[in-house]
Amino acid sequence: GEDVEQSLFLSVREGDSSVINCTYTDSSSTYLYWYKQEPGAGLQLLTYIFSNMDMKQDQRLTVLLNKKDKHLSLRIADTQTGDSAIYFCAAGGYQKVTFGTGTKLQVIP
Amino acid sequence: DGGITQSPKYLFRKEGQNVTLSCEQNLNHDAMYWYRQDPGQGLRLIYYSQIVNDFQKGDIAEGYSVSREKKESFPLTVTSAQKNPTAFYLCACGGQSNQPQHFGDGTRLSIL
Repeated sequence: GEDVEQSLFLSVREGDSSVINCTYTDSSSTYLYWYKQEPGAGLQLLTYIFSNMDMKQDQRLTVLLNKKDKHLSLRIADTQTGDSAIYFCAAGGYQKVTFGTGTKLQVIP
Repeated sequence: DGGITQSPKYLFRKEGQNVTLSCEQNLNHDAMYWYRQDPGQGLRLIYYSQIVNDFQKGDIAEGYSVSREKKESFPLTVTSAQKNPTAFYLCACGGQSNQPQHFGDGTRLSIL
């Protein structure tokens, strides 16, 4: 089955850019997603990208997809303290989506 | 306002007791999902339902049961057979026709 991996922790200074990386194993994954989870809350969809795209930008968020290497990244420009959360990468297709273990982003003021 | 609602936010279970977690959505999505979240383990799929009156086991279905009598509702029962039920439970809907899944705010279940 699909396996999605992320590093567990990332620390950045306020105002810097954050880059959260993710790798997946199933090359047939059609869609790749990024979710944000704040403490005690559910997952909030941030953005997603079709597998036939290389890049998607949405305000401070940039998603890059390297389909050959099965590597996905999320860049957050001008990181703010409100961006502190756990970020989940997810990959899937029609019926099933597999989630990574999440990357905890700590923003240092 | 459309959305997906889970209740209660916190739930306590006594040994040997079954408890039911509620999940309701008014987004008109056919598919609904239950996940379990443990620290450092991400989300694991318990059960999912693509259509009313039908549901499928996920990766960790043992000790859980579900029903899907209405499109809007997908309750999860944590039975006494689930020996380690303490976790954060998340319900989601969507995910068909490549729609992203949308999540509720979760229910935290603890053992008394």
